[in-house]
Amino acid sequence: NAGVTQTPKFQVLKTGQSMTLQCAQDMNHNSMYWYRQDPGMGLRLIYYSASEGTTDKGEVPNGYNVSRLNKREFSLRLESAAPSQTSVYFCASSRDREPEKLFFGSGTQLSVL
Amino acid sequence: GEDVEQSLFLSVREGDSSVINCTYTDSSSTYLYWYKQEPGAGLQLLTYIFSNMDMKQDQRLTVLLNKKDKHLSLRIADTQTGDSAIYFCAEVDSSYKLIFGSGTRLLVRP
Repeated sequence: NAGVTQTPKFQVLKTGQSMTLQCAQDMNHNSMYWYRQDPGMGLRLIYYSASEGTTDKGEVPNGYNVSRLNKREFSLRLESAAPSQTSVYFCASSRDREPEKLFFGSGTQLSVL
Repeated sequence: GEDVEQSLFLSVREGDSSVINCTYTDSSSTYLYWYKQEPGAGLQLLTYIFSNMDMKQDQRLTVLLNKKDKHLSLRIADTQTGDSAIYFCAEVDSSYKLIFGSGTRLLVRP
């Protein structure tokens, strides 16, 4: 009963490198989300996918791309990492778009040097 | 746009009550939420309140909603050291997405 699984847990990148953060949920949820958490700023939505095959921009999408590979998996890609993307990234899922119960992964701590 | 504001830090003594406050801007939010984040973990839904309610009680937790002032509070009775965490309030925007506050770090002193 894993819930929402994110990999990796920690990553250090150099400026300009690329990487993909992976997220998978086993709850048969339709909607999936990527957030970033910065000190004193709460969580900000990067991208979301209301259902399989659809993706939409959130509040801070610049510098990121996403793929809803199938119903279970939603990945976040940084094509050319920048120090401003140093953050903690959280994936979340919910059954439908009504967010009365979001389930969160444990996060990925990303540092861009 | 929508905005949710919280104070950043609260320190209480074990056994006292804690009150975490939040103000929001979107009066059309159907639900308002409280999430808890323990160190090194993701957020967990703690409780939520429907917008037509003034109060909701769940064991040691009491949520108060003042729609006129757009003010939400979370009261934790008999606060324990295990309650030390960051607490986020959140509202729902017109696209059914959560807008989070910046979080209140609660420190419970023994």
